[in-house]
Amino acid sequence: DAGVIQSPRHEVTEMGQEVTLRCKPISGHNSLFWYRQTMMRGLELLIYFNNNVPIDDSGMPEDRFSAKMPNASFSTLKIQPSEPRDSAVYFCASSTSGRLDTQYFGPGTRLTVL
Amino acid sequence: KQEVTQIPAALSVPEGENLVLNCSFTDSAIYNLQWFRQDPGKGLTSLLLIQSSQREQTSGRLNASLDKSSGRSTLYIAASQPGDSATYLCAVRGGSQGNLIFGKGTKLSVKP
Repeated sequence: DAGVIQSPRHEVTEMGQEVTLRCKPISGHNSLFWYRQTMMRGLELLIYFNNNVPIDDSGMPEDRFSAKMPNASFSTLKIQPSEPRDSAVYFCASSTSGRLDTQYFGPGTRLTVL
Repeated sequence: KQEVTQIPAALSVPEGENLVLNCSFTDSAIYNLQWFRQDPGKGLTSLLLIQSSQREQTSGRLNASLDKSSGRSTLYIAASQPGDSATYLCAVRGGSQGNLIFGKGTKLSVKP
């Protein structure tokens, strides 16, 4: 069974451009999480969906960030406009049901904003 | 606010050595604690999950302990191997939301 799939694996863009990161959770999982990892702050939760509905977006840094989950098998994280401080590795994770279950992580997208 | 600290930030040991990684957290009101492994360029792999009511969990050469009252957990790796080289992350679930709060990890290098 395939794990969590993320694309692209690497993204290099210039400041001010729009960036879209994509995630396909494990089939049958009802919960999806977006995390950001930086050297300074470590891994931080950005947003959590349950049954395609955003439940907790308190970690989304600012209005430039938005996330959607149009169906159970696809989610996007968009940054518009991007800034150099957004450079980080973005992980998507999914779980069977809810935040208390074991989360399975994707390989991450390494974003560099020049 | 829950804070998770891992010491040391990096550790280098010769193959075959037994070692201990440390994790501490500031708020003892947790649901569970989880240890992950992260390899370069890859996602996180769950190693062990300890519920708040448990004292330890074992999987193969790995043993994780939890002392909730003192806000500490340790990950013991027996007979370390070069393939154990990775970054090990500790995370706690707690608070009103149950979100995972991560430490910054310990980067382990096992030399042949």
